[in-house]
Amino acid sequence: DTEVTQTPKHLVMGMTNKKSLKCEQHMGHRAMYWYKQKAKKPPELMFVYSYEKLSINESVPSRFSPECPNSSLLNLHLHALQPEDSALYLCASSPPAGQSSYNEQFFGPGTRLTVL
Amino acid sequence: GDSVTQMEGPVTLSEEAFLTINCTYTATGYPSLFWYVQYPGEGLQLLLKATKADDKGSNKGFEATYRKETTSFHLEKGSVQVSDSAVYFCALRTDGGSQGNLIFGKGTKLSVKP
Repeated sequence: DTEVTQTPKHLVMGMTNKKSLKCEQHMGHRAMYWYKQKAKKPPELMFVYSYEKLSINESVPSRFSPECPNSSLLNLHLHALQPEDSALYLCASSPPAGQSSYNEQFFGPGTRLTVL
Repeated sequence: GDSVTQMEGPVTLSEEAFLTINCTYTATGYPSLFWYVQYPGEGLQLLLKATKADDKGSNKGFEATYRKETTSFHLEKGSVQVSDSAVYFCALRTDGGSQGNLIFGKGTKLSVKP
């Protein structure tokens, strides 16, 4: 298995809803990332997990709550979002240092989120 | 801080034309450099990379050479196809560890007409 998968592909939610985005990889990568991408912009880093521990939080509002239950799975829990949070949410993963391609990030296809 | 500057598009070319997308960077240390491509409605795919000065990355007819003296990593292709229409992002990564994040340029949209 050589890919990062994300579900759902599309999500529409109201401002009072609670939903979760899911990301999975089975490549043995030990770093996983959440990015937010607005239209016609580059991805912006939100969170980094390294060996299942949160290592970087780029001052993301608390209505976004990441979780890394195990080394293969990364979730992003959403609650009380605003319309301006509508974007493409991308997950990525990296191999551990010492492996080939250790400095690359492998991206999933993204979840397109619309907040009404 | 570290940054990437790439030419802003959109770039519109006819099929079989030569492509250059300029990318320059500012970084402390010795970054690895990447070109990612994003096709409409999709996530990012790594197109090519270079990890040290004078390395040339290549894939699918695209090439880029890591030029330390000019801090550049320009993307080139000799003959573009309609299927190359996408947004191209230049990026760098300075942390050699696995948790280092990517710093992206703003992206260049390429449209190739038949």
